[in-house]
Amino acid sequence: NAGVTQTPKFRVLKTGQSMTLLCAQDMNHEYMYWYRQDPGMGLRLIHYSVGEGTTAKGEVPDGYNVSRLKKQNFLLGLESAAPSQTSVYFCASSSPRKTYEQYFGPGTRLTVT
Amino acid sequence: KNEVEQSPQNLTAQEGEFITINCSYSVGISALHWLQQHPGGGIVSLFMLSSGKKKHGRLIATINIQEKHSSLHITASHPRDSAVYICAVTQGGSEKLVFGKGTKLTVNP
Repeated sequence: NAGVTQTPKFRVLKTGQSMTLLCAQDMNHEYMYWYRQDPGMGLRLIHYSVGEGTTAKGEVPDGYNVSRLKKQNFLLGLESAAPSQTSVYFCASSSPRKTYEQYFGPGTRLTVT
Repeated sequence: KNEVEQSPQNLTAQEGEFITINCSYSVGISALHWLQQHPGGGIVSLFMLSSGKKKHGRLIATINIQEKHSSLHITASHPRDSAVYICAVTQGGSEKLVFGKGTKLTVNP
């Protein structure tokens, strides 16, 4: 099993450009999450999904959109990137059948210039 | 005030030392998680506990629900233990984690 994978691993964007980060998991987990990690701050939840076709806002959702069309995939979109979105993005998944222990992807380092 | 506070923020130790990292939280929880993030960036779950104590190799995690406090201990520390250790909590039935800011541990040979 690959676990949780993220693509791309690195990306540089110019202000105003758009992009989509892809998260995929092969553990049949119901829940998926997108976090951002910034220096001096803990991981912060952007959006999450409790099942295929459903999404919900987290702590810092502004400037991001998400979609969960398939159970195994969770996409994070930036429609018009801003320098404040320079961060490391982590995807995670979990299942209530496994007491919500979260499994993390390797992260995507995004720089917006 | 953060709902999850960790101390210390930074910790430097010599190889072989016993290490303790603390986590305090201000909300009712259903479980507490300890995570490890290596310099390469990957995050792995070390423990999830709701009471008592768990042990895995040289790592021990304890929780005191009444005092809203957890500790992560590392016995016979080794340079490969150098990482950021993150405490996180889930609140009653919630699928969401609330994270502390992490403790950066450096173990020198």
